[in-house]
Amino acid sequence: GAGVSQSPRYKVAKRGQDVALRCDPISGHVSLFWYQQALGQGPEFLTYFQNEAQLDKSGLPSDRFFAERPEGSVSTLKIQRTQQEDSAVYLCASSQGQTGITEAFFGQGTRLTVV
Amino acid sequence: AQKVTQAQTEISVVEKEDVTLDCVYETRDTTYYLFWYKQPPSGELVFLIRRNSFDEQNEISGRYSWNFQKSTSSFNFTITASQVVDSAVYFCALRGGLAAGNKLTFGGGTRVLVKP
Repeated sequence: GAGVSQSPRYKVAKRGQDVALRCDPISGHVSLFWYQQALGQGPEFLTYFQNEAQLDKSGLPSDRFFAERPEGSVSTLKIQRTQQEDSAVYLCASSQGQTGITEAFFGQGTRLTVV
Repeated sequence: AQKVTQAQTEISVVEKEDVTLDCVYETRDTTYYLFWYKQPPSGELVFLIRRNSFDEQNEISGRYSWNFQKSTSSFNFTITASQVVDSAVYFCALRGGLAAGNKLTFGGGTRVLVKP
């Protein structure tokens, strides 16, 4: 497709369950970002990839969060042993360049609800 | 550290009125980039405009215009002659220079409701 695609759109997980969220960036985009957006707040940075290299993971809230982009295209954000505070919308974005100049294009997000 | 503040949480207007959204930012970088994004109910963030720190010229693009003032660290955004389809949450965002990494720092957002 033409835009950033995320799946699933909605995920309900029982507390303690592991989840995997998928992001298909725009074809050819070098940079890929994950953000977490709590209800009524702005997105907060989680991690950044340049091709397959994870260059910044300073925003990951705990070691239960893990992201990968093994072939420099599709990315997966994994959350282990989910907790209620993990409930949020997880947004993926991609951009063409390697620098901060180009704008990032966002997917529709995955809404995660932990019960 | 970078910070973006959007003091207005919600603005309600009647169609055809102008809407101005305030944004104040903090950064130690001398080179940085400012953005406005729109988030409709569908959820994805839609890119609207970008401004570089070294270019303070204010511009108009269709019904959108912005006022970038480095002296007051403000990057305000105006929608002229608002329409119902403009109803959404609007986010101001900041990206620092290369040394600061490529991440965007977002404000808390301003919800705009345009009534017919």
